[in-house]
Amino acid sequence: QVQLVESGGGVVQPGGSLRLSCAASGFTFSSYGMHWVRQAPGKGLEWVAFIRYDGSNKYYADSVKGRFTISRDNSKNTLYLQMNSLRAEDTAVYYCAKEGEGYNWNPEYVDYWGQGTLVTVSS
Amino acid sequence: DIVMTQTPLSSPVTLGQPASISCRSSQSLVHSDGNTYLSWLQQRPGQPPRLLIYKISNRFSGVPDRFSGSGAGTDFTLKISRVEAEDVGVYYCMQATQLGLTFGGGTKVEIK
Repeated sequence: QVQLVESGGGVVQPGGSLRLSCAASGFTFSSYGMHWVRQAPGKGLEWVAFIRYDGSNKYYADSVKGRFTISRDNSKNTLYLQMNSLRAEDTAVYYCAKEGEGYNWNPEYVDYWGQGTLVTVSS
Repeated sequence: DIVMTQTPLSSPVTLGQPASISCRSSQSLVHSDGNTYLSWLQQRPGQPPRLLIYKISNRFSGVPDRFSGSGAGTDFTLKISRVEAEDVGVYYCMQATQLGLTFGGGTKVEIK
């Protein structure tokens, strides 16, 4: 069965950095685009970033562009999110999520989500 | 960005009765490839989101048939034919037609 397990969350000071990881299993990771989506405490869902199945293209929400970098290592079945210049408003649970269809050029729908990892930006 | 607006914000429902959630997009969700990338997600308390419906009306694997989706263009609806206790949670619509996925604000379904 599909499993997505995030790690790397924690408490960080404003201006600091953190790298999240998402270990994938149960499907051919290299065939699917992947997303990071976040949810601030008590709030709704906000898309953060998407990377194509082969890593050839990456897209970001305006709120994180220039500060966050999405990447993947298909040999390790792992997705990453490097977060720099963190702000209080980045505090959220970060989910990695899998695209529903393989070899897509662009997103279509998200079919599986991890349990999430909490990032808290606070002094 | 495409703005997704859900109504109602909250839906108290009697067990066994139907529930309906509406989602409206600020522009048409018909993609240049002819598909409409509108999905519905369920988030139970303390859980990650779970896919229910994709491309307007396709029920995802394992989703009970009491859930159904419909609509076109900018107006979409999720219906639960007979609400069960396990359906309590927040429901989100999501569009992927335009890059930069966007979500509705969520509708909380609770039991009366």
